[in-house]
Amino acid sequence: ELKVEQNPLFLSMQEGKNYTIYCNYSTTSDRLYWYRQDPGKSLESLFVLLSNGAVKQEGRLMASLDTKARLSTLHITAAVHDLSATYFCAVSDNNDMRFGAGTRLTVKP
Amino acid sequence: DAGVTQSPTHLIKTRGQHVTLRCSPISGHKSVSWYQQVLGQGPQFIFQYYEKEERGRGNFPDRFSARQFPNYSSELNVNALLLGDSALYLCASSFWGSYEQYFGPGTRLTVT
Repeated sequence: ELKVEQNPLFLSMQEGKNYTIYCNYSTTSDRLYWYRQDPGKSLESLFVLLSNGAVKQEGRLMASLDTKARLSTLHITAAVHDLSATYFCAVSDNNDMRFGAGTRLTVKP
Repeated sequence: DAGVTQSPTHLIKTRGQHVTLRCSPISGHKSVSWYQQVLGQGPQFIFQYYEKEERGRGNFPDRFSARQFPNYSSELNVNALLLGDSALYLCASSFWGSYEQYFGPGTRLTVT
C-alpha cells in the first residue's frame, strides 16, 4: 500500500530562521508534489519533482527529491510570516495520488 | 482564464440524505479528480475521470459515485450520508497524462 509520511506535523519557527520538512514515501513512483494550503482554502501547487536529484526553488522555498531514499525535502530559508500555512507532499502512483498528513507551519516574529 | 470551479461552496445535509457536488474543469482539461479532505488531515483520493470513464478509484465505499459529462464537467454523488462524510471536497483538473493538476476552491459539506 502506498504510504506517505511527513514530519514534523507541526512546526513553529521564528522569522529569519531556516528549517526543513521531510516527506518519506513507500512507492517507487518518481512523481512528488508539494502543495500549500491556507486555512479554509484550497490547495496551491508549489513544486512537481519528476526525477531523482530534482531540485526546484521558488523564493524562500526549495524542494528536492531522492528517489532511491524515497525522500523529498522542503527547505525554508529565512522564514517570513507569509509562509505560515499547511504544507502537503503527495505522491502519484498508477492514477492514485496519496497525500501526507501535512505540516502546519507557523512563523512567529 | 477561469480556474476550476465547484458548486455549491457550502452545504449542510442530514444523515441518510443524498448529495451531489459539481465541478467544472479548466477549459481544455479533460481529466477530473475528486478528493475528500477531513478537517486536520491530508486530502484522500476518491475518483479520477477522463473522457467520461473512470480511470482511478480510491478506497471509498460504494455510496460514493461520480460521472463525467461530454463537456468534461463532473459530479460527485454521495448516498446515505454519514457524519463522517463531513469534509471539504476538492476537485482537480488536468490535461490527461500531465503531471500538473489544478485544484478548485472546494465544497464544504457538513452532515448533521
